[in-house]
Amino acid sequence: DQQVKQNSPSLSVQEGRISILNCDYTNSMFDYFLWYKKYPAEGPTFLISISSIKDKNEDGRFTVFLNKSAKHLSLHIVPSQPGDSAVYFCAATGANFGNEKLTFGTGTRLTIIP
Amino acid sequence: DGGITQSPKYLFRKEGQNVTLSCEQNLNHDAMYWYRQDPGQGLRLIYYSQIVNDFQKGDIAEGYSVSREKKESFPLTVTSAQKNPTAFYLCASSIRQGSPLHFGNGTRLTVT
Repeated sequence: DQQVKQNSPSLSVQEGRISILNCDYTNSMFDYFLWYKKYPAEGPTFLISISSIKDKNEDGRFTVFLNKSAKHLSLHIVPSQPGDSAVYFCAATGANFGNEKLTFGTGTRLTIIP
Repeated sequence: DGGITQSPKYLFRKEGQNVTLSCEQNLNHDAMYWYRQDPGQGLRLIYYSQIVNDFQKGDIAEGYSVSREKKESFPLTVTSAQKNPTAFYLCASSIRQGSPLHFGNGTRLTVT
């Protein structure tokens, strides 16, 4: 049972435009969410997180939006740059839980077209 | 530079052989984790350790074993009991429970 779903395996966006990556979850106990970015042949790196007490968190070109009622979050990248081409993983856990309860989505491969 | 080192990058083994994947960190993190990634799937937790000399099973621990004799090191042994060992294995650490994970660059294991 996939509790964290990234329904788009891939996404292509023109350089300079907005990239929007989506993530849905089913477990209502999840209240802390993270995005990781992964380049080929490398491990994932932490990008941005959001707690359920917020509905938006921004860090430079990256913004994560959380819609708790819809159990949906999205990562916006503006403007998109060629270096953003990577696989993006959404992950979720409960704030009272540790990383051992972290559940990952299957990833979305983002390609930025120059 | 602080980080997590996984070696080797690629590993090939014959079926029926045990194999040990190395993971070393110099971040002074207490918690360490092993994940497995298969095509089309998210990362799945194999084992984790919150402190030296202690470790816990994750979601898919069957066929694997670990040790945590030193804070810096968390090797993973893939035993012959693991039915589908071919995968990409990632080691991670975190400064404390709940803080974001730092990952190594992974080991791709192929068993034939």
